[in-house]
Amino acid sequence: EADIYQTPRYLVIGTGKKITLECSQTMGHDKMYWYQQDPGMELHLIHYSYGVNSTEKGDLSSESTVSRIRTEHFPLTLESARPSHTSQYLCASSGDRVNTEAFFGQGTRLTVV
Amino acid sequence: AQRVTQPEKLLSVFKGAPVELKCNYSYSGSPELFWYVQYSRQRLQLLLRHISRESIKGFTADLNKGETSFHLKKPFAQEEDSAMYYCALSPNSFSGGYNKLIFGAGTRLAVHP
Repeated sequence: EADIYQTPRYLVIGTGKKITLECSQTMGHDKMYWYQQDPGMELHLIHYSYGVNSTEKGDLSSESTVSRIRTEHFPLTLESARPSHTSQYLCASSGDRVNTEAFFGQGTRLTVV
Repeated sequence: AQRVTQPEKLLSVFKGAPVELKCNYSYSGSPELFWYVQYSRQRLQLLLRHISRESIKGFTADLNKGETSFHLKKPFAQEEDSAMYYCALSPNSFSGGYNKLIFGAGTRLAVHP
């Protein structure tokens, strides 16, 4: 079934740890995105990708990095987690047509203690 | 600056009452406007887009360029409409053709029996 998957759903981790948030899609989409959302606030685009080996930073500056080695996989990495990274991270993908619908994963709620 | 404003964090109505979720945007060009919805324990999903001019689940939204608004309306609210609603803008002058979405902070709609 075509879908977009994020793991883990919830993560509580200590300061200074390296973490990777996974995002995979079986939609056949080239475009993928990472959004960050603090409680009660807007979703902010932090990374996007047009396709394999393409990654760009979004509007909101983030200390995280991303990679796109395979079309279906778009992981986000934090080399050294800090409490300020506590947030919800949403992965999305979309097709090639301009302004086509974005499909979202379930999200990962990250808490850094 | 490109911005989407949803002035109400919470809108509480009784079943059968009319609903209007407000959305205002700031953008100098001609944007594409969307409403996304997130039901309890479900992922964010597209509800409707202005370019389609369609009614989804009884909801409609009209783009008013003079007032820079894209309010979401439904004449008779149902309990199953209770959810978080996000207004989003996609600027036409985006670079590279990726589907950038600028989100508002969201409005929680609570429909009481």
